[in-house]
Amino acid sequence: KAGVTQTPRYLIKTRGQQVTLSCSPISGHRSVSWYQQTPGQGLQFLFEYFSETQRNKGNFPGRFSGRQFSNSRSEMNVSTLELGDSALYLCASSLELAGGHEQYFGPGTRLTVT
Amino acid sequence: AQSVAQPEDQVNVAEGNPLTVKCTYSVSGNPYLFWYVQYPNRGLQFLLKYITGDNLVKGSYGFEAEFNKSQTSFHLKKPSALVSDSALYFCAVRDLDNAGNMLTFGGGTRLMVKP
Repeated sequence: KAGVTQTPRYLIKTRGQQVTLSCSPISGHRSVSWYQQTPGQGLQFLFEYFSETQRNKGNFPGRFSGRQFSNSRSEMNVSTLELGDSALYLCASSLELAGGHEQYFGPGTRLTVT
Repeated sequence: AQSVAQPEDQVNVAEGNPLTVKCTYSVSGNPYLFWYVQYPNRGLQFLLKYITGDNLVKGSYGFEAEFNKSQTSFHLKKPSALVSDSALYFCAVRDLDNAGNMLTFGGGTRLMVKP
């Protein structure tokens, strides 16, 4: 079974621009979560989607948004990019919303804001 | 609020020796606990989890972890370290009483296994 895929793998943007990252979960997985990883803040939860609805949201400004499509694929968008948004953005998928299911992570999208 | 602490930024061990990577957690309800490993320029790979039942959990690549409720710990262990085990290890917790899969991660521990 194919793993979680993320596109693009690397991205360079300028301050003030916006960016859209894409995530395809493992086939059959219905929950998709997004995390931001930085050297200073570590791994931080952004949001989680299930059945095209946002179920949980982390402590990030409204510039960070996401959505999930009917095929469970997900996108996240960051508007008005700031230098501090430079990070590795990780997508993770899980079979269901609740229960003890582990999350499987994609390779990430490395975003650099200049 | 839930939190995870990994008290050691780095653990050094010689190949063939046992290794332990420490993790303590705090949740309001009952915890689901996870260990992940990250290799350079890669995402996180799932190693093992504790949901309920036996306190000793066995996972991938010979790793195991022991859940200790009284000490709120979930230390990762391996009887004999390999150089290829060198990587960044993350402990994570999910509060059973909260809906969803949101994980709270520790700061990570870099494991260095020397030949």
